[in-house]
Amino acid sequence: QQPVQSPQAVILREGEDAVINCSSSKALYSVHWYRQKHGEAPVFLMILLKGGEQKGHEKISASFNEKKQQSSLYLTASQLSYSGTYFCGPLSGSARQLTFGSGTQLTVLP
Amino acid sequence: DGGITQSPKYLFRKEGQNVTLSCEQNLNHDAMYWYRQDPGQGLRLIYYSQIVNDFQKGDIAEGYSVSREKKESFPLTVTSAQKNPTAFYLCASSDRGTYNSPLHFGNGTRLTVT
Repeated sequence: QQPVQSPQAVILREGEDAVINCSSSKALYSVHWYRQKHGEAPVFLMILLKGGEQKGHEKISASFNEKKQQSSLYLTASQLSYSGTYFCGPLSGSARQLTFGSGTQLTVLP
Repeated sequence: DGGITQSPKYLFRKEGQNVTLSCEQNLNHDAMYWYRQDPGQGLRLIYYSQIVNDFQKGDIAEGYSVSREKKESFPLTVTSAQKNPTAFYLCASSDRGTYNSPLHFGNGTRLTVT
């Protein structure tokens, strides 16, 4: 079953903050986050692992609440380059591969 | 530079024809994946392979077939049995399982079937 992302779309001014949420109906082992610009390939942002470990390489933070089966992506002081569609990909114990949400379209305006 | 190459970028076919999408990686990754993306939708898994000569169905495998004869190559065939094949197809690879290893995506093939 596909995870639920919210909001579906958000428009920001440069420098503002945003939070994107991802909820799953299944117990999670890890959560991936990717950003995709129009017509391009998704780009890896972060992996959050059960137990709190994070693996990522961008100036974006995230949280992973195992009990609530939720993850949130925090974009602070947004830049124009942050525009794109953000996808979460939770990995549950019953699934062997990622199931992606339908995405959150983020637009950062000057 | 290492990466994933998908070709062609755009592909047009007539209904009823099979078509094969190419995916090659030089990252030395064990696992490879095919995803389908429809407008405004997320990515849906078609097939994946964690080792040469082995592959598994994903969520939407009907109407598709794959092979994994070489570590670096994972071609996808869209058969005439696929009822709605027009979509954006993304190939990806990962070093290990997706628990703690990120997916590296190719630039995609946009398939249009008329």
